[in-house]
Amino acid sequence: SQKIEQNSEALNIQEGKTATLTCNYTNYSPAYLQWYRQDPGRGPVFLLLIRENEKEKRKERLKVTFDTTLKQSLFHITASQPADSATYLCALVNQGGKLIFGQGTELSVKP
Amino acid sequence: GAGVSQSPSNKVTEKGKDVELRCDPISGHTALYWYRQSLGQGLEFLIYFQGNSAPDKSGLPSDRFSAERTGGSVSTLTIQRTQQEDSAVYLCASTTSGNEKLFFGSGTQLSVL
Repeated sequence: SQKIEQNSEALNIQEGKTATLTCNYTNYSPAYLQWYRQDPGRGPVFLLLIRENEKEKRKERLKVTFDTTLKQSLFHITASQPADSATYLCALVNQGGKLIFGQGTELSVKP
Repeated sequence: GAGVSQSPSNKVTEKGKDVELRCDPISGHTALYWYRQSLGQGLEFLIYFQGNSAPDKSGLPSDRFSAERTGGSVSTLTIQRTQQEDSAVYLCASTTSGNEKLFFGSGTQLSVL
């Protein structure tokens, strides 16, 4: 079955640094991969989608890469701010045609 | 509506009781998901409705769980004979048929005492 793995340990970084989060998947080759942000007590919010033919995608301070050979996506936040502190989830549509999520990585940006 | 609406936002129930959770998706969205999220965990897929197709129920953890979607819009998730391990946040999301961007509600926090 398809599996998505994200760093389970929280990531703590200093304000202004670049945060890098990892998403690995197995047993499937998705046509695209998505990243979401989740704040405590709220539902996830869509951030970015990257397709299999796109190596990299940017949106403001966010950058996502997608390596279909390594079966990995990296999510970068440059010039991080305390307001970026949240849990970040990656998701892909599996062979059954439904969207499944990784367990998420909690990011904490300290001033 | 402006977004996905879920009700109630919080539900406390006694073990053995039945509960119904409601989701109002964004108007025009043909696909609707239910996920469950336990404390500190990721999203566990429960059920997926896509247009008029038969729902994908492969994530429902037991036959105590069921869901329906009436008129291609509002959905209700029903848990019968609730157990303590059912305590979690139940999230609903809707999207257009392409699954390319899900819009989530704020969830229902279910506590089974």
